[in-house]
Amino acid sequence: GENVEQHPSTLSVQEGDSAVIKCTYSDSASNYFPWYKQELGKGPQLIIDIRSNVGEKKDQRIAVTLNKTAKHFSLHITETQPEDSAVYFCAADLLAAGNKLTFGGGTRVLVKP
Amino acid sequence: EAQVTQNPRYLITVTGKKLTVTCSQNMNHEYMSWYRQDPGLGLRQIYYSMNVEVTDKGDVPEGYKVSRKEKRNFPLILESPSPNQTSLYFCASSASGTLEQYFGPGTRLTVT
Repeated sequence: GENVEQHPSTLSVQEGDSAVIKCTYSDSASNYFPWYKQELGKGPQLIIDIRSNVGEKKDQRIAVTLNKTAKHFSLHITETQPEDSAVYFCAADLLAAGNKLTFGGGTRVLVKP
Repeated sequence: EAQVTQNPRYLITVTGKKLTVTCSQNMNHEYMSWYRQDPGLGLRQIYYSMNVEVTDKGDVPEGYKVSRKEKRNFPLILESPSPNQTSLYFCASSASGTLEQYFGPGTRLTVT
């Protein structure tokens, strides 16, 4: 089955700096890669996603890049703000198999004011 | 308000005492799923359901049961809980043909 590894497990950045989280996946057939943000005491919430036919996607301060050849994808957060502090999860899915997400281990991001 | 609700939010129980965690969604979603979250392991899927009366195992189904008798409800049953089922549990739902999963607020279960 699919295996997703996520690094780093914790990330501390100064407010205004950029944050980068990296994930690798094992199944070359996976074709959908979402990122979820989990705030303290809440369930994860989708923040951005990318499909395998796209190399990069951007939404305001967040962007995701995908390298299918290397089987890795990354989340980039620019101009970080205190409200970006949360746990972020990457995931991979084979769309033809239904909504069966395989998640990475999570990254705890702390933005210091 | 569109949401996924779970009850209870916190539960402390003893080994072997059957329990049920309820999950309900008001968005008329076809797909529902249960995950457990453990430190460093991310979220792992326990069971999922594509629609009423259609359920299937996820990656870590041992020790759990589910049922989907109504579209809105997807309870998680632990017939004989053990300490290794101490975890944070999330229910999620999504509409058929869409990709975003909506998660409930979580149920923190402790089995002693």
